[in-house]
Amino acid sequence: GQSLEQPSEVTAVEGAIVQINCTYQTSGFYGLSWYQQHDGGAPTFLSYNALDGLEETGRFSSFLSRSDSYGYLLLQELQMKDSASYFCAAAREGSGNTPLVFGKGTRLSVIA
Amino acid sequence: SAVISQKPSRDICQRGTSLTIQCQVDSQVTMMFWYRQQPGQSLTLIATANQGSEATYESGFVIDKFPISRPNLTFSTLTVSNMSPEDSSIYLCSVESVDLREYFGAGTRLSVL
Repeated sequence: GQSLEQPSEVTAVEGAIVQINCTYQTSGFYGLSWYQQHDGGAPTFLSYNALDGLEETGRFSSFLSRSDSYGYLLLQELQMKDSASYFCAAAREGSGNTPLVFGKGTRLSVIA
Repeated sequence: SAVISQKPSRDICQRGTSLTIQCQVDSQVTMMFWYRQQPGQSLTLIATANQGSEATYESGFVIDKFPISRPNLTFSTLTVSNMSPEDSSIYLCSVESVDLREYFGAGTRLSVL
């Protein structure tokens, strides 16, 4: 079956940089997505990598290596408001780009 | 992106009753999805709802428990039937937008007493 593995929790200091890793096992891979979810909120799309390499969107960057079945989300200049859960996600086998299979999520705590 | 309105945002229901959740999109979309998310957990796909066809349910979810309607390209409903406390969860609808990304509604927080 498909699976995406990511750390359950990460703690980082305000202003620092944090990397959240995601390894996946899936066939028919279309790309890796990242979502942010604050407590009580809906998942919000952050980034998508279809090709190997780095995608940068402001303070957030995402990286993909298809050969290693690995990706990461990089958050720079951490702010307290970045405290949230972050999910990596990939398309399901046999389907198009959606719906997605989600990892279990990484809870990021930003401390002063 | 797509703007998705989901309602109700939350509800408290008695066991044995049913609740219908509505999802409205600001543009026509082919694919709509319904997820369940237990507190602190990941998202689990319930079903895929395409207009003009029966919804496709994932393993562990059945139509009698979670009937879905998809009357047009901008709207869908999910009903949670004959509820029990185990159905207490967050229910989310999502759509595949024209940019092939998946976008989510704000969710419905359901508590069953």
